[in-house]
This record gives sequence, structure tokens and C-alpha cells, in this order.
Amino acid sequence: QKEVEQDPGPLSVPEGAIVSLNCTYSNSAFQYFMWYRQYSRKGPELLMYTYSSGNKEDGRFTAQVDKSSKYISLFIRDSQPSDSATYLCAIKAAGNKLTFGGGTRVLVKP
Amino acid sequence: DVKVTQSSRYLVKRTGEKVFLECVQDMDHENMFWYRQDPGLGLRLIYFSYDVKMKEKGDIPEGYSVSREKKERFSLILESASTNQTSMYLCASRQPLGGAGQPQHFGDGTRLSIL
Repeated sequence: QKEVEQDPGPLSVPEGAIVSLNCTYSNSAFQYFMWYRQYSRKGPELLMYTYSSGNKEDGRFTAQVDKSSKYISLFIRDSQPSDSATYLCAIKAAGNKLTFGGGTRVLVKP
Repeated sequence: DVKVTQSSRYLVKRTGEKVFLECVQDMDHENMFWYRQDPGLGLRLIYFSYDVKMKEKGDIPEGYSVSREKKERFSLILESASTNQTSMYLCASRQPLGGAGQPQHFGDGTRLSIL
């Protein structure tokens, strides 16, 4: 079993819809939770970074962490075609090593 | 903004060649990382470096080595390239501040093909 599981998609939604992405993890030592967005032929760019259970909002993006269920989510409101990308969750315990999910490909159709 | 620059976007090499991938960051970050990214496998850590001349193996170091002679530069070396090392290689850097440290920032990757 992988340490971090993420549905690969693709997830196709119409423009304006809410995109809902999630990851599950198995290691209760994980404390820090990140979401990266990766456009085709580009490196991942950091979207959200949180280290506590609950919600964190940044513009159209909301990251949600439920440590008791070992479940994290990313919601994108009012999705745009420019949100079409692969979204990677990344989680770590104390220390340097990040563990990535496999990524979910999202396609927002105009 | 953090800038992580990888020297080549695309590279084609032959089996058995020694291959060098270069990465430079401009934010004086102490930590630097090399990953490879493959479909269905996600990002896997090859090596990372805490600071100049310091390195530590990641999850898949076999067939690779690294060099960090200066703080801003981290090189990945394929000692004798093989076809199973065809992949996207990503470099990242990070400043370990505040206990947990800051998140990693990535370059745009080098797509390496070994023929």
C-alpha cells in the first residue's frame, strides 16, 4: 500500500463548477500538508501549505485536513479553463522528506 | 519569488554515457532535492542535500550520484545511463526555517531520454 493515495483521474468538469480533490495517507506521523499544481511540461508550483486540521482558504482554493481520518482535500471554486492541470498532494512528517501522491489530472471545459 | 533553474529542458543521451543534470537556485536555500517523475509512480526522491558538500540518499538512489560544491548548485549524475532512467527529472530547493521549514520550490524539469 502506498503511503499516500490519490485518484489519478482524469476529472472533467464544466467551467464554473467546484473541483473536489482528495488524498488519503497512512502514516499518522505526517504533520504538514501541501497541494501543488503542475501544468504540462512545467514543474510543480505550490498552491497551499498547512500543518493543522481544519480549513485554509486562499482565493478560490480551500484546503481541508482531517488528521483523525488521514484525509486531505482541495476544493477549487468557480473553476476556470486555466485550472486545467495535474494536482499533487504532498505530505511530510518533521524533517525534509516529502511524500507525494500520484497526482490527479483535472480538465475544466469552457 | 524563488527561482529554481534547470539547465536543460530536454536531453537525449545514449546508453552507457555519463550524464550531468544541473540545477541552480537563487534564494540561498540550504536544502536541495532531486526527484524523478514517472507516469503512475508520481515523484520519487533520488537524493537530497542539507547543505554544501552534504548529501543523503532518497528512495531510489541506485545508478545516481550527486554533487553540491556551492550552495546554489546541485548536480545529479547518471554514472552510466540506462534506458530505465528515461524520465522527467525535477530539482527543488527549500529553506529549513521555523522548525518544520518551508515548502519545496521546483524547477521546470529536464525530460531525459536514454536511447
